[in-house]
Amino acid sequence: NAGVTQTPKFQVLKTGQSMTLQCAQDMNHNSMYWYRQDPGMGLRLIYYSASEGTTDKGEVPNGYNVSRLNKREFSLRLESAAPSQTSVYFCASSMDRANEQFFGPGTRLTVL
Amino acid sequence: KNEVEQSPQNLTAQEGEFITINCSYSVGISALHWLQQHPGGGIVSLFMLSSGKKKHGRLIATINIQEKHSSLHITASHPRDSAVYICAVRPGAQKLVFGQGTRLTINP
Repeated sequence: NAGVTQTPKFQVLKTGQSMTLQCAQDMNHNSMYWYRQDPGMGLRLIYYSASEGTTDKGEVPNGYNVSRLNKREFSLRLESAAPSQTSVYFCASSMDRANEQFFGPGTRLTVL
Repeated sequence: KNEVEQSPQNLTAQEGEFITINCSYSVGISALHWLQQHPGGGIVSLFMLSSGKKKHGRLIATINIQEKHSSLHITASHPRDSAVYICAVRPGAQKLVFGQGTRLTINP
């Protein structure tokens, strides 16, 4: 099993550009999450999807949108990237909200 | 004050030493997680616990709900244990709240 996959692994954007981070899981999990990790701070939740067809804001949703395309895929979109969005982004999934989460390898994003 | 505090922030030890990493939290929780982040960046779930103690190989996690405290112990530490260890708590039904992590370095 591939588990949780993310693309791309690295990305450099200019301020104002848009992009979509892709995430897919093959574990038949119901819940999926997007986090960002910044130096000196813990992982922070951007958005999550408790089940297919639902999405909810997390701790730091401003500047992001998400789409739960189907049960497997959960994408994160930056419509107009800003330097403050330079971070490492992790996607995760779990069977449901109360279970352990499985993480993807991360996407390192730099916004110039 | 963060909801989840880990100590120490950094820990360096010699191979074979017994390691303890602590996590204190300030809210009522339904579960606590310990995660390991490898030097390459990948994050792996080690434990999820809501009471008592769990053991996987050389790793032991304990939690004291009344004192709002958990510890992660590593016995017979090895250089491959070098990683960042992250504590996360689940207040209520939903989202995890993460600590800042403890960077562990085990020297041969």
